Formats: sequence, structure tokens, C-alpha cells
Amino acid sequence: DAMVIQNPRYQVTQFGKPVTLSCSQTLNHNVMYWYQQKSSQAPKLLFHYYDKDFNNEADTPDNFQSRRPNTSFCFLDIRSPGLGDAAMYLCATGVLRDGETQYFGPGTRLLVL
Amino acid sequence: AQSVTQPDIHITVSEGASLELRCNYSYGATPYLFWYVQSPGQGLQLLLKYFSGDTLVQGIKGFEAEFKRSQSSFNLRKPSVHWSDAAEYFCAVGAPEYGNKLVFGAGTILRVKS
Repeated sequence: DAMVIQNPRYQVTQFGKPVTLSCSQTLNHNVMYWYQQKSSQAPKLLFHYYDKDFNNEADTPDNFQSRRPNTSFCFLDIRSPGLGDAAMYLCATGVLRDGETQYFGPGTRLLVL
Repeated sequence: AQSVTQPDIHITVSEGASLELRCNYSYGATPYLFWYVQSPGQGLQLLLKYFSGDTLVQGIKGFEAEFKRSQSSFNLRKPSVHWSDAAEYFCAVGAPEYGNKLVFGAGTILRVKS
């Protein structure tokens, strides 16, 4: 089945230690999104790639970076995680057509110690 | 910019009872509207969406939603709730000039009592 996969599902890191979260897709969608979802809150868009074009949200901290080496994979890098970065990180894919659905992965739960 | 309000943070219904989850949006024209469901520790699953056409939209798992332009609402309904429907429900809005980016409401947590 075509799907969005996120690895790992749970990630524990230390304060200030860089961490990378992975997302892959078999849907061949040209857009990939990263959302941050803190406990009991709505998902908040961090950035998205349209093909290789990177689009950062205005309020996304510089501590968050992303890479998309090819259509299938996208990575979220947190350069120096703080306690406030503990959250669920959701990857989604889509196509840039009006009203198109975004398809979400299962998420990676990040814990910062 | 578009915005979404889900007025109910928590809702509890009895199994077999009907359900309505409220969603109001703010946007100058007709947006794209979505309902997603999230089980604990899981990603978001699309229940249904409104893009254009018939304002009553059918989705998966027996859910439906009605777009009411005059009320800027897109309420989610189910005639008979099952215990497995307990989850968090998010309404989201997208707008053409913002590409495919979604803005989510704060979510409504549904609890089903037997």
C-alpha cells in the first residue's frame, strides 16, 4: 500500500544534542510537509518542500532545518533541541492541486531530556 | 489569513447516540475544508473533505459533514457513535492563495461511554 512512513516512532535525545527525524513516502507526491504537534494542541506547520523548493513558515525557529534529497525522503533536523521542542512531529505529503488531501504519517514522538 | 475554531475541547457521548462536532472558519471566500481524526499516539487520518459541489459530504466510518456558507461552518456528524470512535478530531481549512497549506483547529476530544 502507498503510504507515509516515519522513523523512528519514538526518539529520545539530550538537551542540545542534534537529532534527525526521517520521513519517506511511496505516494510519489511532490509536496512534503513537517508539522509540530505539542500535547493537546493542533498541528503547526513548520515548513514544506514543493519538489526541491524549500518553504519555511515565518515563525519556525532557526533551530529547525529540513532536507529533501529526493522525492521519496525528507528529513527534519533539530540542531540544538530544547525542552520546549518535545512534541509529536508529523510528516505529510500532498500534491499542489486545489483542495488536494494531505496524507499523514504516524508521527515521531520526540522526548528531550 | 484563514483560521479555524472548534468551540468544544471535550465531548462525551453514549455509545449509540448521535454526534455533532462543531467547526467554524474564517476566510473571505469558499475554502477547502477537512476533518481529520487522530487516535492516541497516531498520525492524522482523513475522514472527509469539502472542495466544491454538494454541501453535504460523506466520509469514511459513517461520518458526514455539511458546509454552510452563511454560518461559516463545517460541522461533523455521525448518527450512531461506536466506542472505537473515541479519538481527537481536527477540522482544517485550506485556501487557494495559500497553496495546499492547512490551518488546523485546536481539536475536539471525543469520549464514548458505554
